[in-house]
Amino acid sequence: NAGVTQTPKFQVLKTGQSMTLQCAQDMNHNSMYWYRQDPGMGLRLIYYSASEGTTDKGEVPNGYNVSRLNKREFSLRLESAAPSQTSVYFCASPQGGDGYTFGSGTRLTVV
Amino acid sequence: KNEVEQSPQNLTAQEGEFITINCSYSVGISALHWLQQHPGGGIVSLFMLSSGKKKHGRLIATINIQEKHSSLHITASHPRDSAVYICAALHGNQFYFGTGTSLTVIP
Repeated sequence: NAGVTQTPKFQVLKTGQSMTLQCAQDMNHNSMYWYRQDPGMGLRLIYYSASEGTTDKGEVPNGYNVSRLNKREFSLRLESAAPSQTSVYFCASPQGGDGYTFGSGTRLTVV
Repeated sequence: KNEVEQSPQNLTAQEGEFITINCSYSVGISALHWLQQHPGGGIVSLFMLSSGKKKHGRLIATINIQEKHSSLHITASHPRDSAVYICAALHGNQFYFGTGTSLTVIP
C-alpha cells in the first residue's frame, strides 16, 4: 500500500539520550518533510528535503539533524534529547495535487 | 502572530447539521491545504486548492484569494466526522499550519 511509513510509534527517552526517527515513502516523490506537533500550536516544520542529497532547515531545526539516505528514506536524529523536544513528530511527503501523505506519527516523551 | 488563523477553535454540532470551519491567512499563498486529524492522531489530506471550490462527498472547500480566506463545509454531519480539521497555507515551498478546529458531532 503506497504511503509513508514512520517508526517508532512511541518512545520515551531520558534527557541527554539520542535516537533516530525513521521515515520511508514508496511513492517515488522527491520531497520529504519532518514536522512536530505541540498542544495549542500548529504543525511546525523541522527540516525538509526537496530531493535526494539535499536538506534544508525549517522553522524549528535546533536540536535536530536529518539525513536523506536515498529517495525513499529521510531520518530525523536527536543527538541529545531535551524535555522541550517532547512532542508528536510527523513525516510527510507530497501526494501530487491533493496535498500530503503523512506518516502515522511518533509520540516522543523526554524525561 | 500566526500566519494562519482558524475559527472556531472548538465546535460541537448535532448530527445532520451543516458545519463551516474558517481559515484566514496573512501571507501570499499558492495553495491552501485542508487536513483531518482523527483522535488516534493520524493526519489525512482532504483538499488542496488554489482557487474556487472543490467537493468530495459531503465535504466542500472554498477559497477567496483576494480576501485571503478559505472555508471548509461539511453537509449532513455525522459522528464519524468528529476530528480536528487543520488548514495550511503554502507560502513559497513551505506550509504554515493553523492550530486546528476540534469538531464534535453528537448523535
